[in-house]
Amino acid sequence: QLQLQESGPGLVKPWETLSLTCSVSGGSINSDDYYWGWIRQSPGKGLEWIGSINYRGNTNYNPSLKSRVTISVDTSKNQFSLKLNSLTAADTALYYCARPQTTAGYGDYIYWGQGTLATVS
Amino acid sequence: DIQMTQSPSTLSASVGDRVTITCRASQSISKWLAWYQQKPGKAPKLLIYEASILESGVPSRFSGSGSGTEFTLTISSLPPDDFATYYCQQYNNYPWTFGQGTKVEIK
Repeated sequence: QLQLQESGPGLVKPWETLSLTCSVSGGSINSDDYYWGWIRQSPGKGLEWIGSINYRGNTNYNPSLKSRVTISVDTSKNQFSLKLNSLTAADTALYYCARPQTTAGYGDYIYWGQGTLATVS
Repeated sequence: DIQMTQSPSTLSASVGDRVTITCRASQSISKWLAWYQQKPGKAPKLLIYEASILESGVPSRFSGSGSGTEFTLTISSLPPDDFATYYCQQYNNYPWTFGQGTKVEIK
């Protein structure tokens, strides 16, 4: 059974950079051409798709965050990561990593991490 | 971006009720719509994808329909375990976008 686990600091200061990692177990991140995603959830904005990456490093970003976001992959560690810079209080949210159930770039996310809360203060 | 609008935002229902939630897209998304259930403190759970395909292991009381811009999620008979928040999500065009959610609460 595939499992995803987010990790990262729970508290970050304004204008600094949030760095989160999603560790994948129970399967290989490069076993097939899935686009592994980051999604966040805040009371004010609901669920917001941040972006996604495949094992080759091809990325798609939400234009609303594109200037501040970098998603990367490390196949040797079976991980992918999120960096979000120039943080403000509006970036306070529960951050999830997820994988769709189908390849070809679809966004029907079947596997989710448990989420990690990032507070900007 | 494609805007996804769910209605109602809150739905009061009783155990055994038939429940229908609507999701409208601001432009056509063909069949590329997913429905999720989320309970407090948990990640969203995929119920339906491609508008009408039931995810493996999801009870058959859940069904989805629609295409283009209008979609519905129906729960045929609501058990206590289904009081939760439901979200639609389009994955036809980047960026993927979600509806604001429908909270199904006990009447």
